[in-house]
Amino acid sequence: GENVEQHPSTLSVQEGDSAVIKCTYSDSASNYFPWYKQELGKGPQLIIDIRSNVGEKKDQRIAVTLNKTAKHFSLHITETQPEDSAVYFCAAQFTGGGNKLTFGTGTQLKVEL
Amino acid sequence: DTAVSQTPKYLVTQMGNDKSIKCEQNLGHDTMYWYKQDSKKFLKIMFSYNNKELIINETVPNRFSPKSPDKAHLNLHINSLELGDSAVYFCASSQDSGDRGSPLHFGNGTRLTVT
Repeated sequence: GENVEQHPSTLSVQEGDSAVIKCTYSDSASNYFPWYKQELGKGPQLIIDIRSNVGEKKDQRIAVTLNKTAKHFSLHITETQPEDSAVYFCAAQFTGGGNKLTFGTGTQLKVEL
Repeated sequence: DTAVSQTPKYLVTQMGNDKSIKCEQNLGHDTMYWYKQDSKKFLKIMFSYNNKELIINETVPNRFSPKSPDKAHLNLHINSLELGDSAVYFCASSQDSGDRGSPLHFGNGTRLTVT
């Protein structure tokens, strides 16, 4: 089955700096890669996603890049703010999975003042 | 205007009991899911239903039984609760269940504690 590895597990940055979280996946047939943000006591919330026919996608301060050859994708957050502090999850869906997402192990991001 | 709502938010019970968690979505989505998040925050799918039909059933003990009375509701019943069942259970929904990939909308979770 699909396996998704996520690094780092914790990330601390100064406000205004950039944060990068990286994920690798095992199934080359994977075609959909969403990123979720989970705040304390809440459910994961989709922040951005990318499909396998696209190499990069940007939404304001958030961007995701995908390298299909290397089977890895990354989340980039620029100009970080304290409200960006949360747990971030990458996920991958492989073809034939019926929209079954396999999640990474999560990254606890802390943005310090 | 809550999109995916689940009840209760907290559930504390003793080993051996039977309990249910309810979930409702008002997004008009065709597919609903149950995910389990353990103490290390690892998220793993348990079940998914599309238009009341079971389409994903992961390796979950048969003490867990999902029920979908209609496509807007997916409940989770757990029999003979065990200590290892303690976790946060998330309900989610998506527009469809196909291979194209459809974003999930999660509820805020039910924290189950088995003592």
